[in-house]
Amino acid sequence: DAGVIQSPRHEVTEMGQEVTLRCKPISGHDYLFWYRQTMMRGLELLIYFNNNVPIDDSGMPEDRFSAKMPNASFSTLKIQPSEPRDSAVYFCASSPREGSTEAFFGQGTRLTVV
Amino acid sequence: GDSVTQMEGPVTLSEEAFLTINCTYTATGYPSLFWYVQYPGEGLQLLLKATKADDKGSNKGFEATYRKETTSFHLEKGSVQVSDSAVYFCALTLDTGRRALTFGSGTRLQVQP
Repeated sequence: DAGVIQSPRHEVTEMGQEVTLRCKPISGHDYLFWYRQTMMRGLELLIYFNNNVPIDDSGMPEDRFSAKMPNASFSTLKIQPSEPRDSAVYFCASSPREGSTEAFFGQGTRLTVV
Repeated sequence: GDSVTQMEGPVTLSEEAFLTINCTYTATGYPSLFWYVQYPGEGLQLLLKATKADDKGSNKGFEATYRKETTSFHLEKGSVQVSDSAVYFCALTLDTGRRALTFGSGTRLQVQP
């Protein structure tokens, strides 16, 4: 398996623009997680899905952030409008339903909002 | 709520030195415990794990033992290499209920030749 695939790897956008981050989880995994990493706050869970259904979105910063999982092989995290304080590395991870609860991470998307 | 506390970094060692990175946790149930490693510019990789008390996880010379009595999962390596320089994260999940990893703040390790 190719692992968790995120795109783009880097994104630079202007304040106020819409940004969409994409994630393809490992085939057969039932759980999908979106994390944000910054120097100040470390790794923060934004939202996670089980079988395409959002389970916990309490970490989503505000209404400017939204996440969807239209099918088992694709998820998006959208920021509209973007702000400089959204600059961070965003990670997607997936986890299988059975067995160990470890998560497998993608390479991340480094977002810079100028 | 569930939480993970790990020692502040950076930790700077000379090559072949002994490494310990402390990790303690608070959990409402019986967690599984993990160490993840992040190399510069990359995502997180699972280094080792333990799913029940007294289990020892090991990989690439790193070890950690799940100590329920002290709620700890300290990471150790007998002889570090320059290539071990990275950020190390301790984390937990619960097998029931919340499935998302709860991470510690990370500890940066710098190994000098």
